[in-house]
Amino acid sequence: DTEVTQTPKHLVMGMTNKKSLKCEQHMGHRAMYWYKQKAKKPPELMFVYSYEKLSINESVPSRFSPECPNSSLLNLHLHALQPEDSALYLCASLRLGSTEAFFGQGTRLTVV
Amino acid sequence: AQSVTQLDSHVSVSEGTPVLLRCNYSSSYSPSLFWYVQHPNKGLQLLLKYTSAATLVKGINGFEAEFKKSETSFHLTKPSAHMSDAAEYFCVVTKLNNNDMRFGAGTRLTVKP
Repeated sequence: DTEVTQTPKHLVMGMTNKKSLKCEQHMGHRAMYWYKQKAKKPPELMFVYSYEKLSINESVPSRFSPECPNSSLLNLHLHALQPEDSALYLCASLRLGSTEAFFGQGTRLTVV
Repeated sequence: AQSVTQLDSHVSVSEGTPVLLRCNYSSSYSPSLFWYVQHPNKGLQLLLKYTSAATLVKGINGFEAEFKKSETSFHLTKPSAHMSDAAEYFCVVTKLNNNDMRFGAGTRLTVKP
């Protein structure tokens, strides 16, 4: 299994909603990432977890709250988002000791 | 700190002609470098990677790249473009045992019939 699975594939939410994005991998990778990608832009790093601990937080607003409950699962909790948060959210995982990351297909989020 | 610069935001070629997408990197240590491709409304697919082994790296779909330390470059090439190569291409730099993975701004490849 060399897949990173993201759910849902598409999400539309209002500015007062609370929702969560989910990312799962079963490759034993101990580093997991969240990226945000706006249209026609490169992915921007948001968070990195290493051994289930937050190791990088790129000054992301608190309305985005990451969580890594175990080594296979990474969540991104969303609350009180703004329309400008609409983007493709990509998850990636990496085996520590390697440099090759595996990406999920992304969740396309629209905030209305 | 490490970073990559993709020198062209848009490259347009005719089908059957060579492709060259340019990437320069900045790193104070031996980097690992990657090229990813992203088709419209799709996720990222790894094309090829350099991780300090052979400097000429072959990837999928006929793409290859050469790591040139003296020029701090990792340009992506393909001898003959196909219509299906039209996509966005990202150069990425990272380092072994460092979780920081950085993307270039991307190069949009257009292939004309």
